[in-house]
Amino acid sequence: DGGITQSPKYLFRKEGQNVTLSCEQNLNHDAMYWYRQDPGQGLRLIYYSQIVNDFQKGDIAEGYSVSREKKESFPLTVTSAQKNPTAFYLCASQDLPSYNEQFFGPGTRLTVL
Amino acid sequence: GNSVTQMEGPVTLSEEAFLTINCTYTATGYPSLFWYVQYPGEGLQLLLKATKADDKGSNKGFEATYRKETTSFHLEKGSVQVSDSAVYFCALFFSSNTGKLIFGQGTTLQVKP
Repeated sequence: DGGITQSPKYLFRKEGQNVTLSCEQNLNHDAMYWYRQDPGQGLRLIYYSQIVNDFQKGDIAEGYSVSREKKESFPLTVTSAQKNPTAFYLCASQDLPSYNEQFFGPGTRLTVL
Repeated sequence: GNSVTQMEGPVTLSEEAFLTINCTYTATGYPSLFWYVQYPGEGLQLLLKATKADDKGSNKGFEATYRKETTSFHLEKGSVQVSDSAVYFCALFFSSNTGKLIFGQGTTLQVKP
């Protein structure tokens, strides 16, 4: 089955540690996105990528970094510079150039202890 | 700028009640409009979409009509079930843009038996 996988589902880290969230898709989509979701709020865009080895900052990129070395993979690193990293993180992918719907993964809940 | 506003929740209904979740948007141009649904602990799933004015999207008994004159895309269902309990997100995007989605803040629906 085609889809998007995110791992792990739950992640705990200590303050001051970097942590990397995995996102893999087998839909052959060109574009991939990372969103952050906080309780009672909509989704906010962190980073996105439309092609391998290229990515752009979204609305809240500070304290985060990404890479896009392979078409199917778009890992997100939450660095120690992110002041309030506890949140639910969602990865999505989208076919280009049709710009049709975005498909979402199941999410990773990150908790900073 | 472009934005989406949804009615605040939570919306609490009894089973078989009629549902309306309001969504209005501000946009320069003619975006495509989406409703996504998020069940507890999961990612987002596309519920329905409309790509031009007067289009009606429908799926699983839910409907929404793209109203350019009122810049609205209200979600409706004639008879809700307990299984419809979820968070509903209205979103817009422009196909001529980067494919980025702009989300409303989400509306929580609770359906009681």
